[in-house]
Amino acid sequence: EAGVAQSPRYKIIEKRQSVAFWCNPISGHATLYWYQQILGQGPKLLIQFQNNGVVDDSQLPKDRFSAERLKGVDSTLKIQPAKLEDSAVYLCASRQTRARQPNEKLFFGSGTQLSVL
Amino acid sequence: AQSVAQPEDQVNVAEGNPLTVKCTYSVSGNPYLFWYVQYPNRGLQFLLKYITGDNLVKGSYGFEAEFNKSQTSFHLKKPSALVSDSALYFCAVGRTDKLIFGTGTRLQVFP
Repeated sequence: EAGVAQSPRYKIIEKRQSVAFWCNPISGHATLYWYQQILGQGPKLLIQFQNNGVVDDSQLPKDRFSAERLKGVDSTLKIQPAKLEDSAVYLCASRQTRARQPNEKLFFGSGTQLSVL
Repeated sequence: AQSVAQPEDQVNVAEGNPLTVKCTYSVSGNPYLFWYVQYPNRGLQFLLKYITGDNLVKGSYGFEAEFNKSQTSFHLKKPSALVSDSALYFCAVGRTDKLIFGTGTRLQVFP
């Protein structure tokens, strides 16, 4: 089966510019996550979608970050304006289950590596 | 609040020797524990999970992990390391459908 697709693979921008990342989860996966992985740290959850609704965005810096999953399939994460500390790998992940079941594994994309200069 | 700690930034081991990557957790109630591996320029890949049952969990690529409730640990192990096992390993804990990841341990296997 096809995996989680993310693009672009790399992005270099200057601070205060805008950037957008795209994710297409595995077909049929209802739950989609965006994680931020700063160098030397573990992935940190930014936002979780169930179909096209937001389940958890408590750690999303909403003054500059936004995300949407309008049709319940692919998703876009945007940063506007970017700061130096946003330099990180942005990982998209998906899982199949609809209910709040914690024991299903996540499938991750290869990520988008963002460098803010 | 739930959390997970990986006390070693890096583990070095010679090929053919056994390896252990340590993980301790803090969670109220019964934990759901996971190990993921990240190869360079790749996303995280699932290795194994503990939900309930046998304390020794077997996973992909010959890895296994031992759940120890009294020590709140979930160490990753492999009897004989391969150079190709060199990667970044993450322990994670989840009580709902969200995972909290540790900071990762870089495993370096030398020929």
